[in-house]
Amino acid sequence: DSGVTQTPKHLITATGQRVTLRCSPRSGDLSVYWYQQSLDQGLQFLIQYYNGEERAKGNILERFSAQQFPDLHSELNLSSLELGDSALYFCASSPGGGTLDNEQFFGPGTRLTVL
Amino acid sequence: AQKITQTQPGMFVQEKEAVTLDCTYDTSDQSYGLFWYKQPSSGEMIFLIYQGSYDEQNATEGRYSLNFQKARKSANLVISASQLGDSAMYFCAMSASNTGNQFYFGTGTSLTVIP
Repeated sequence: DSGVTQTPKHLITATGQRVTLRCSPRSGDLSVYWYQQSLDQGLQFLIQYYNGEERAKGNILERFSAQQFPDLHSELNLSSLELGDSALYFCASSPGGGTLDNEQFFGPGTRLTVL
Repeated sequence: AQKITQTQPGMFVQEKEAVTLDCTYDTSDQSYGLFWYKQPSSGEMIFLIYQGSYDEQNATEGRYSLNFQKARKSANLVISASQLGDSAMYFCAMSASNTGNQFYFGTGTSLTVIP
């Protein structure tokens, strides 16, 4: 168990809908990262938050947004869902925000299926 | 831009034998970190080993070692004395100082340990 929790574990929804994925980092970790894992795109970095502030942005669509709250949990909001958004969404956390040796601890993931 | 290449989509190894999973990377950054993660069929991402670009010694963690050849830009994972539980997807990842701590992942190698 990495100490990172993600809810829900599975999510099935329809095209055009909006969903929210939730992540609680390990105790004491200030950084939260979101990744998308799909068969065609592999593991892709979406966005990073550090202590409530957006730190880095990757291949995140405009339909997607995220935030980190004062208690450090994070939410990833996906809207106007398309079939291609079906994927495993991981949250990861690390103690710091920019040092290279910070391994990232991954949550169990949320499997999103868009029908 | 950073890039990670894993050229072995699938590998087989006999139980108790050693196996090497290949990873090459491309970056113009002088400071970077290299990581290996294991993803069993259950889906979670498990951190295995880390190598910093300035580390002179190859990293080792139990049965895992990282064969770091900086001039060749390779960071191969060596698993010694393979066990059935080692059957999983293995991902090589890199973080670089000019892109914060976000990870760039390779496409992964599926390892199957044969009894």
